[in-house]
Amino acid sequence: EVQLVESGGHLVQPGGSLRLSCAASGFTFSSYSMNWVRQAPGKGLEWLSYISTSGGTIYYADSVKGRFTISRDNAKNSLYLQTNSLRAEDTAVYYCVRRSSDWNFDYWGQGTLVTVSS
Amino acid sequence: DIQMTQSPSTLSASVGDRVTITCRASQSISSWLAWYQQKPGKAPKLLIYKASSLESGVPSRFSGSGSGTEFTLTISSLQPDDFATYYCQQYNFYSGTFGQGTKVEFK
Repeated sequence: EVQLVESGGHLVQPGGSLRLSCAASGFTFSSYSMNWVRQAPGKGLEWLSYISTSGGTIYYADSVKGRFTISRDNAKNSLYLQTNSLRAEDTAVYYCVRRSSDWNFDYWGQGTLVTVSS
Repeated sequence: DIQMTQSPSTLSASVGDRVTITCRASQSISSWLAWYQQKPGKAPKLLIYKASSLESGVPSRFSGSGSGTEFTLTISSLQPDDFATYYCQQYNFYSGTFGQGTKVEFK
């Protein structure tokens, strides 16, 4: 069974940093590209970042470019999102999402909540 | 950037109703369109991909159609488990833009 389990979200002050993690199991992690998607409270879904299977190709949404860094460790079956210079508008549930070979966002984690507030 | 617009934002329906949700793209996306269902406090669940392909395990009462800029999600006979928020999404190999969502609620 495919499982994606996010962790690392909590309350942080504006300007602070957090490292989000996603532990993958039930599939060959190194064979799949991965994404981060977030959802602000009561709002819609926003794609944030993409990383290829090897980590050699990375993309970001304009809203987080220069502040967030995606990475992966295929030996540890883990995906990461380093979030810096956090703002109130970054408050959201952050989801780790697998991309299928057909480019679908086919499996989602349960999400981890990041709250940016003083 | 491609914008996705769903209508309606809220839909009131009863069990057994046929429900249709529309999604429009600001430019042609061919058939690179997916539909998701999300329940409160849960992650989105993929229902339809490539505009009309049913994801494995999804009931056949869900169907998708369209290409280019106009797409439709249809639930042929609404079931109690289907009351949720539905999102369309255009996607490519690295990103995806979501519509604002359509909440299907009890009439």
